[in-house]
Amino acid sequence: QVQLQESGPGLVKPSETLSLTCTVSGDSINIGSYHWSWIRQPAGKGLEWIGRVQTSGDTIYNPSLKSRVTISVDTSKSQFSLKLSSVTAADTAVYYCARGLRLWGQGTMVTVSS
Amino acid sequence: EIVLTQSPGTLSLSPGERATLSCRASQSFYSSNLAWFQVKPGQAPRLLIYAASSRATGIPDRFSGSGSGTDFTLTITKLEPEDFAVYYCHQYNISPLTFGGGTKVEI
Repeated sequence: QVQLQESGPGLVKPSETLSLTCTVSGDSINIGSYHWSWIRQPAGKGLEWIGRVQTSGDTIYNPSLKSRVTISVDTSKSQFSLKLSSVTAADTAVYYCARGLRLWGQGTMVTVSS
Repeated sequence: EIVLTQSPGTLSLSPGERATLSCRASQSFYSSNLAWFQVKPGQAPRLLIYAASSRATGIPDRFSGSGSGTDFTLTITKLEPEDFAVYYCHQYNISPLTFGGGTKVEI
């Protein structure tokens, strides 16, 4: 059974870089031509697509975040990662990783605060 | 960017009733790339419908999707207690991928 698990600091200081990793277990990240995505949801608000990566390394980012976002994949570790720089309180949210549409991690809460 | 507008914002219904949720896109797109998700507090989004009208694996047949062009609908016949949640439509046709603002189905 394939599972995704987000990991990373739950608290990030303003202006610093948020770094999260999504670990894929139960199957190889290389199997299939999936899109591996990051999505977030601020408390009380809707879902926002951050961007996605393919195992080829090709990426697409949300233009609203593009200048601050980097998504990368490490196939040797079956992981893909999110880096979001220069964070502010507006980046406080639950962050989800996902494979395609069907498979999501449980989400991890990240708070931006000093 | 394709903006998805969901209505109503909140739907107050009782178990056994029918729920009709609307999702309108700011521009037409390939309707095979429209999905619906159910979100409950503390849980990951659950895919209900993809390609506008195809039920995901394990989704009960009381959930159905329809529509094309710019207008899409999620229908839940005979609401069960576990169906009270927030529902989001999502287009995955054109980058940036976008979600609607959500419809809360409450008792």
